[in-house]
Amino acid sequence: QVQLVESGGGLVKPGGSLRLSCAASRFTFSDYFMSWIRQAPGKGLEWLSYISSSGRTIYYADSVKGRFTISRDNAKNSLYLQMNSLRAEDTAVYYCARDHFRPYSGYDYWGQGTLVTVSS
Amino acid sequence: IQLTQSPSSLSASVGDRVTITCRASQGISSYLAWYQQKPGNAPKLLIYAASSLQSGVPSRFSGSGSGTDFTLTISSLQPEDFATYYCQQLNSYPRTFGQGTRLEIK
Repeated sequence: QVQLVESGGGLVKPGGSLRLSCAASRFTFSDYFMSWIRQAPGKGLEWLSYISSSGRTIYYADSVKGRFTISRDNAKNSLYLQMNSLRAEDTAVYYCARDHFRPYSGYDYWGQGTLVTVSS
Repeated sequence: IQLTQSPSSLSASVGDRVTITCRASQGISSYLAWYQQKPGNAPKLLIYAASSLQSGVPSRFSGSGSGTDFTLTISSLQPEDFATYYCQQLNSYPRTFGQGTRLEIK
């Protein structure tokens, strides 16, 4: 069974930085596009970022562009999200998700999420 | 692209037929997915390409629509179906989600 496990969340002060990781297993990671999505407490889902299988194509939501950086290491089967200049409104559960094998078809596997809390 | 789901919340009984709608602010062809999320859990893909049932999802779930108007239908509600449902457009980036529809037990 496909597995995605996020780590790296925690409490950070406003203006601080955090790096999230997503460890992938039981599928050929290098074949799949990957994304990050977050969910603020009691709120809906917010798409954040996408990275192609090679890492050459990347997209960001306007809310995080210039502050967050998505990357991947296919040799380590890992996806990353470097988060800088964090704000209180970045407080959320952060999910990594695998793009469906069929293009334009959503995310067929999600991690369990990692909580990021931005507070002084 | 903005997605507007209706209703925002819904009360229904086991066995009921339920329909949730998702309207896009511009045409997105059939590039729409539906997810189910239960408290404390990650979302689960139910429907992709507007009407294709994801593997392992019960056949009481169905999706339809294209362009700007889409629907998710649950033909006969089961106790495990009470959750929040989200639509997502996959036509362009950013890949926006609807605001969610909370389905509660009547």
